[in-house]
Amino acid sequence: AQKVTQAQTEISVVEKEDVTLDCVYETRDTTYYLFWYKQPPSGELVFLIRRNSFDEQNEISGRYSWNFQKSTSSFNFTITASQVVDSAVYFCALSELDQTGANNLFFGTGTRLTVIP
Amino acid sequence: DAGITQSPRHKVTETGTPVTLRCHQTENHRYMYWYRQDPGHGLRLIHYSYGVKDTDKGEVSDGYSVSRSKTEDFLLTLESATSSQTSVYFCAIRPTVGNEQYFGPGTRLTVT
Repeated sequence: AQKVTQAQTEISVVEKEDVTLDCVYETRDTTYYLFWYKQPPSGELVFLIRRNSFDEQNEISGRYSWNFQKSTSSFNFTITASQVVDSAVYFCALSELDQTGANNLFFGTGTRLTVIP
Repeated sequence: DAGITQSPRHKVTETGTPVTLRCHQTENHRYMYWYRQDPGHGLRLIHYSYGVKDTDKGEVSDGYSVSRSKTEDFLLTLESATSSQTSVYFCAIRPTVGNEQYFGPGTRLTVT
């Protein structure tokens, strides 16, 4: 069975600090995908990144970076020099392949990040 | 913008009444999903569709049914609403290329 754990329920940081959001997953499949989504206070869900299980290269996009380690089943998300606009709930999710091709998403419970000015 | 709309955006209804939520997409994506979001649970899959008239259950399907008679519309029905179905409901689509899902703006449903 698949499972995504985001142990940090809430994190507060002061603006310009770096912050890492943890994500640990469980799956029996060898082929799977990992995702991060952002949900700002306005409520919409914004896709941030997708990673497949065969690509362990870390990725950087501006102030955002992601560290994927299969050995520890983790897909952590770091925000460098945090800003108030980064305040949001962040969700990690896992997708496995299925026969229909729908590849449903299984979400963690989210981490609420508050950046204090 | 993934071209997804949900209606209504807010609804208050009484226990025992039927409720239908609509998800509409403009880009003919094959895959569509319904999730509910509750505090402490993240998002959980209710039902999904992999084509017109092709649907299947997700993790929390009890009390819900869906229909997809056209590519662009995916309907979620609560046959007899209960207070435990008070939630925010999100529709999502997944393009055939790529594996990420894109979400609609959500519907806040309150069952009194």
